[in-house]
Formats: sequence, C-alpha cells, structure tokens
Amino acid sequence: EPEVTQTPSHQVTQMGQEVILRCVPISNHLYFYWYRQILGQKVEFLVSFYNNEISEKSEIFDDQFSVERPDGSNFTLKIRSTKLEDSAMYFCASSPDAFYEQYFGPGTRLTVT
Amino acid sequence: AQKITQTQPGMFVQEKEAVTLDCTYDTSDPSYGLFWYKQPSSGEMIFLIYQGSYDQQNATEGRYSLNFQKARKSANLVISASQLGDSAMYFCAMRVIQGAQKLVFGQGTRLTINP
Repeated sequence: EPEVTQTPSHQVTQMGQEVILRCVPISNHLYFYWYRQILGQKVEFLVSFYNNEISEKSEIFDDQFSVERPDGSNFTLKIRSTKLEDSAMYFCASSPDAFYEQYFGPGTRLTVT
Repeated sequence: AQKITQTQPGMFVQEKEAVTLDCTYDTSDPSYGLFWYKQPSSGEMIFLIYQGSYDQQNATEGRYSLNFQKARKSANLVISASQLGDSAMYFCAMRVIQGAQKLVFGQGTRLTINP
C-alpha cells in the first residue's frame, strides 16, 4: 500500500540554524500539507500546496518558513532560522483531492536546542 | 472559521467494552467532512473513519462507527469491543470543502484500555 514517507525521523539542531524537512507524498496525490504538533498539544495546520503553489498558510507559517516541490516527488519544508519554539513533530500529508482523507507521514521530530 | 471541540481529555475503559469519544464542531460552511485519527504512542497519525456532511447514514469501519448528529453538530466516535491496542490519543478533525481543504483538529482524547 502506498504511503507518505518523511526524512529524517528525528533532527536536532541549534537555534538559528536552517533545517529542511523532507517528504515524499503518495505519487498520484495532488494536495500536499504540512502540520505540526508541539508535544502534548493538538495538530496544527501550517501550509497547503496545490498546483505548484501555496494555496493557504496559517499564522504560524511566517517568513521563516518556506515549502518547495523541487522535482515532482519530494515536498520540503524549510525553516530558515530555527527558534526554540519550533521544536515539535512535523507531519507531511497528501490527498488525491478535496474529498478524501489526508494520508499522513510518520512525522519528523524536530528538536531545537 | 472552523472549530473542533473534544471535551474529554482522558477516558479509561475496560477491555471489551464499547467506548464513545465526543466531538462537536462549528462551521458555517454547508459542505464539510469529519474525520477521526488515532495517534499511538509511536506518534504516527492513523486515519480511522470519515463522515461527509451530506451523508445520510452514519459511517462505519469495522469496530469504528461515527455517530453523526448534524443538527447538534456532533460527530462522536464509537469503538465497539475495545482492545488493549486501542489505547492511544484520538483526534477529531474537520475539513471544509472549499479553499485549501486543510484539516482542523480538536485537542484530542487520550483513551486507555484496561485489561
């Protein structure tokens, strides 16, 4: 069964460093998403991506964040200058269209020290 | 704006009993979907069940069923014959069928199944 994959599973970085979180969505899906979950809290929407552009972003997704789909298979989330409060689990998700469930990847746990 | 409310932070149930996890939602959009996801201690998000706003019948998937009461804006998850492996965090989520179709999640309910 096809699945969303994410790398790395865990990343530790120092405050102020840039990180890139990588995702490979399911191949025939058209909608891509990033969510984050701070430990013990609910899952929060960051950004959605469709037709090679951002379709919606949340207040969390400020100028420090960016997304790319560089090669038609990977979907990346970049944080330019990490802050302590960026420590969270980051989930990538994809969906074939607006009416189906979103399939989540296993997540990348980001720890900023 | 959409909002999901899960009022039960924790639930404790004996194995083999049925359990109902509460979820209420708020939206002004007529077209939406309601989802339940399970998050075990390993952290992944596992899709369980979906209910569309225009679906006439309550959704069922194996031991999971969704008690959809549109007028009350509730979408409770019912797990029949609970198993030890059902112990996890459960999130209710809503997706509006306009715009980016993002998922809006509730705070979650931690379910513990006792042997």
